[in-house]
Amino acid sequence: KQEVTQIPAALSVPEGENLVLNCSFTDSAIYNLQWFRQDPGKGLTSLLLIQSSQREQTSGRLNASLDKSSGRSTLYIAASQPGDSATYLCAVLAAGSGYSTLTFGKGTMLLVSP
Amino acid sequence: DTGVSQDPRHKITKRGQNVTFRCDPISEHNRLYWYRQTLGQGPEFLTYFQNEAQLEKSRLLSDRFSAERPKGSFSTLEIQRTEQGDSAMYLCASSLLAGGPYNEQFFGPGTRLTVL
Repeated sequence: KQEVTQIPAALSVPEGENLVLNCSFTDSAIYNLQWFRQDPGKGLTSLLLIQSSQREQTSGRLNASLDKSSGRSTLYIAASQPGDSATYLCAVLAAGSGYSTLTFGKGTMLLVSP
Repeated sequence: DTGVSQDPRHKITKRGQNVTFRCDPISEHNRLYWYRQTLGQGPEFLTYFQNEAQLEKSRLLSDRFSAERPKGSFSTLEIQRTEQGDSAMYLCASSLLAGGPYNEQFFGPGTRLTVL
C-alpha cells in the first residue's frame, strides 16, 4: 500500500526566507506527483504536477523536484511572503491505483510572518 | 466560473439524518472523484466515475454511502443515517482522460459536513 509522508508537519518562517518542504512515498511505481495548496476550510489548489519521467517543474517562485527511485519530492518556495501561509499537500498517482486515485500526505502547515 | 463547484458548502445535520451533496465538474472532464478529509489529515479517496460508470470504490465507502453520476455530468454523494464520525470535508475533483493516463485532478471548494 502506497504511503506518503510529509516533513515537517508545521513550519514557521519570517517573510523573505527561502524554504523547502519534503515529501516521501513508499512505492516508487508512480505515474505522477502533485503539490497542492489548501487554505483553512477551503478546497485544494493545484500548484505543480511532475510526471514520473520528469525531474522538476517550476512555476513562479515555486520549484518542485522528483527523485522517483528514492521516493522523494521537494517543494522549494523562494522569497516567501505572508500570502504563502497555507497547508501544502503532496499527492502521488500510483500504479497500484489503476492510475486513477491520488494518495495524499498529511500536509505541511506553513506560516510566513511579516 | 469554469472550475469544479460543490453544493452546499456547509451542512449541519443531526445524527441519523440523510444528507446529499452535489458536485459539478469542469464541463469537458469525463472523470469525477470523491474524497473525504478529516481535520489534520490529507484527503482520502472514496470513489470515482468515468462518465456515468462508477469504476472504483474505497473500503472507506460503507453501505451507508452511495454515489451517482447519472448522465456523466454532475454527481451526487448521499450519506444515510449519518454518524458523528462522518463529520469531515467532502471534496470533489475532476479530470480529463484523453489518450493516456495523464490525470491532473482539479478540486472543488468542498462541502463541510458537521454531524451533531
